[in-house]
Amino acid sequence: QQQVKQSPQSLIVQKGGISIINCAYENTAFDYFPWYQQFPGKGPALLIAIRPDVSEKKEGRFTISFNKSAKQFSLHIMDSQPGDSATYFCAASRGDSNYQLIWGAGTKLIIKP
Amino acid sequence: ETGVTQSPTHLIKTRGQQVTLRCSSQSGHNTVSWYQQALGQGPQFIFQYYREEENGRGNFPPRFSGLQFPNYSSELNVNALELDDSALYLCASSTRRGGELFFGEGSRLTVL
Repeated sequence: QQQVKQSPQSLIVQKGGISIINCAYENTAFDYFPWYQQFPGKGPALLIAIRPDVSEKKEGRFTISFNKSAKQFSLHIMDSQPGDSATYFCAASRGDSNYQLIWGAGTKLIIKP
Repeated sequence: ETGVTQSPTHLIKTRGQQVTLRCSSQSGHNTVSWYQQALGQGPQFIFQYYREEENGRGNFPPRFSGLQFPNYSSELNVNALELDDSALYLCASSTRRGGELFFGEGSRLTVL
């Protein structure tokens, strides 16, 4: 019940296209859903996060869509750029343990110029 | 503002040895969390320190231990190293429990 399943494992998108990464969770007690971006040799950096009281959150070119009933959330990157090439991780945690993030396995995104 | 710094960046140990990894938290942060990231996988929570006490632990055996110092820096100690301990060890600091995590670049441990 603690798992977060992420797909696809890898993704190639043309420059200017939309990149979509999906995650599904099992634990209905999760109430914090962040996305992290990790470049090679670097630690993960928080990109955007959502709580289940909203169905969508947008920050610049990055949007999280959240479907509470389906227990799924996704990251959309609009107008994808070569600089967006990185590994993306979704994660989830419970309100009483926000520090203990449960992570997906990651998606390696490559944006082709 | 100084970010999260970790040392050493890379190290190689042999099975059965012990290792200590160090982390300096970001200025103003009093909480440190440690994660293990195996190659090609997402990070896994090891434990968190808040006010110099362990404040939550993931599914890791007791040979994984830690400390937090009065200046909020932290150490991760792993005893009796096993081959499966080979991973990137990430330290993250935050201003409070449940706050946004700021990660260091990690310490890559290889166990031979």
